[in-house]
Amino acid sequence: AQSVTQPDIHITVSEGASLELRCNYSYGATPYLFWYVQSPGQGLQLLLKYFSGDTLVQGIKGFEAEFKRSQSSFNLRKPSVHWSDAAEYFCAVGPLGNDYKLSFGAGTTVTVRA
Amino acid sequence: EPEVTQTPSHQVTQMGQEVILRCVPISNHLYFYWYRQILGQKVEFLVSFYNNEISEKSEIFDDQFSVERPDGSNFTLKIRSTKLEDSAMYFCASRGPGSSSTDTQYFGPGTRLTVL
Repeated sequence: AQSVTQPDIHITVSEGASLELRCNYSYGATPYLFWYVQSPGQGLQLLLKYFSGDTLVQGIKGFEAEFKRSQSSFNLRKPSVHWSDAAEYFCAVGPLGNDYKLSFGAGTTVTVRA
Repeated sequence: EPEVTQTPSHQVTQMGQEVILRCVPISNHLYFYWYRQILGQKVEFLVSFYNNEISEKSEIFDDQFSVERPDGSNFTLKIRSTKLEDSAMYFCASRGPGSSSTDTQYFGPGTRLTVL
């Protein structure tokens, strides 16, 4: 069965420090991979996505993610965190089935301390 | 920038009552989705909708649920007789206008449904 695992429920990081959020997936083939962010009261905003090609993907807000097929991972990174990066981050895979539904991880909450 | 909107932001209802959650997808999109997130759990797929019919639904989407696109702009999720376990955040998403599986799904801000 397909699954997405985000091992870290909550991460606290100092402003200006680097951030890495882990995502592992279990899927029959290389899926499409996504990272979404949800700020309080907001919807799910796409940070970046990977379909094929270069395994290092650049996204919005200074985020990047690296697809590692051998590790079935798609970890999200940011070199220097800003207070506004405090949010919940979701890794997702798709398409599952013909209609491109997404399967999400449980999410990682990021707290940024001054 | 176009966005998906959802109303209401928070709905409180009594068990057994019907609720309708409303979504306005991005105007030229063709594929529509509902997902939900029970507090502390994963975001789960409920249903996808294309060309005025359901294209796929999950096990969660039983006979108590229905979706409709009553006009050219709204996309609704109806729960006929709400249960306590329907309490969750419900997200609408849309994608398109092409049929490529690489199109991005854009999500609304969600409706928090509380069933008492």
